[in-house]
Amino acid sequence: EADIYQTPRYLVIGTGKKITLECSQTMGHDKMYWYQQDPGMELHLIHYSYGVNSTEKGDLSSESTVSRIRTEHFPLTLESARPSHTSQYLCASSATVNTEAFFGQGTRLTVV
Amino acid sequence: AQSVAQPEDQVNVAEGNPLTVKCTYSVSGNPYLFWYVQYPNRGLQFLLKYITGDNLVKGSYGFEAEFNKSQTSFHLKKPSALVSDSALYLCAVRETGTALIFGKGTTLSVSS
Repeated sequence: EADIYQTPRYLVIGTGKKITLECSQTMGHDKMYWYQQDPGMELHLIHYSYGVNSTEKGDLSSESTVSRIRTEHFPLTLESARPSHTSQYLCASSATVNTEAFFGQGTRLTVV
Repeated sequence: AQSVAQPEDQVNVAEGNPLTVKCTYSVSGNPYLFWYVQYPNRGLQFLLKYITGDNLVKGSYGFEAEFNKSQTSFHLKKPSALVSDSALYLCAVRETGTALIFGKGTTLSVSS
């Protein structure tokens, strides 16, 4: 098992609420990623970070934001949740850009 | 831009038979190729990777994959399928210095 943790595992929240999805890893990895996965669909990269104070948007446009103040922590925030944000969010980390990524168990978000 | 294609949404095999899950990729440089498995309500688990060297790569749980540069393919194989192998299999590619890009996944169903 990889040492990368996501909380909460499941979240049901009302439209307009602000939410933060937590992701932490204890492997000391510099590289961290957020992916969005809809049922039966591929994973889409929405944010990534190559180190502290470094964040970039991924291929899929997202209204979420991320921060990387500490190496081990890479939270994702939605300022105002909408039903279109309903999805599974997967966090990952890797030691370098050319090695395998380790994934958390995901947060399944439902916005009602 | 890099991309990954998994042409089969679902593969059905009988227990004990060999299985193949197909993956083709497109990159402009040298590819780094990965296979992951995802069980229901779980994160992704790393199976194997090709970076360089021998075209036949062996990974976890008896899986292997063959890198074919001329056909730009990286098919996942196992000589004898188990019912417990039933899951979603995702192929991913990375060019040097970029994040992982995933295919849409292939659902493997192994019947007893």
